[in-house]
Amino acid sequence: TQLLEQSPQFLSIQEGENLTVYCNSSSVFSSLQWYRQEPGEGPVLLVTVVTGGEVKKLKRLTFQFGDARKDSSLHITAAQPGDTGLYLCAGVNQAGTALIFGKGTTLSVSS
Amino acid sequence: ETGVTQSPTHLIKTRGQQVTLRCSSQSGHNTVSWYQQALGQGPQFIFQYYREEENGRGNFPPRFSGLQFPNYSSELNVNALELDDSALYLCASSNQQGLYGYTFGSGTRLTVV
Repeated sequence: TQLLEQSPQFLSIQEGENLTVYCNSSSVFSSLQWYRQEPGEGPVLLVTVVTGGEVKKLKRLTFQFGDARKDSSLHITAAQPGDTGLYLCAGVNQAGTALIFGKGTTLSVSS
Repeated sequence: ETGVTQSPTHLIKTRGQQVTLRCSSQSGHNTVSWYQQALGQGPQFIFQYYREEENGRGNFPPRFSGLQFPNYSSELNVNALELDDSALYLCASSNQQGLYGYTFGSGTRLTVV
């Protein structure tokens, strides 16, 4: 069974601080996806990384895929209250038959 | 283009009953997957359908079953409901078997009493 360990589970920070969320596994994934979920809604895709070592930027968010395609990180620069939410990493298994989620990181940014 | 639509949005069932949840996939998508999500936790993969065939399954018992129709819409059926089945059920669709990302519906909140 493929598992994705996501940390930290909870993060409470002040506006303007930086943070990093980690997603680790012993398994190789075809792609690693990051989603954000608001209460009462489904997850919304932020980014997909496919190539080992790939780095993608989305405004203040930087996503990195590990060289071995087993881990990923999300870095947020100068967090804002609007960044508050549940952040989820998810990996597509190599057979392309499943999307496996981490347990999520609940981020709270206060002003 | 339309997104993923799930129905109903909320449902209350009694232990032992059966339930069917429905999902209309995004236009152009041929892959549908279902997830169970407890409050504040990541979604747990139930199964995936690709071109009407189940091609992946998570650690859920056989009383969780599904279908994908020729128009790529899908159903999730749960028999003999248990209290622990109470959760948010999410449907997601994609093409290329989800390699580049999934579009999720808003979910069905199932409560078993």
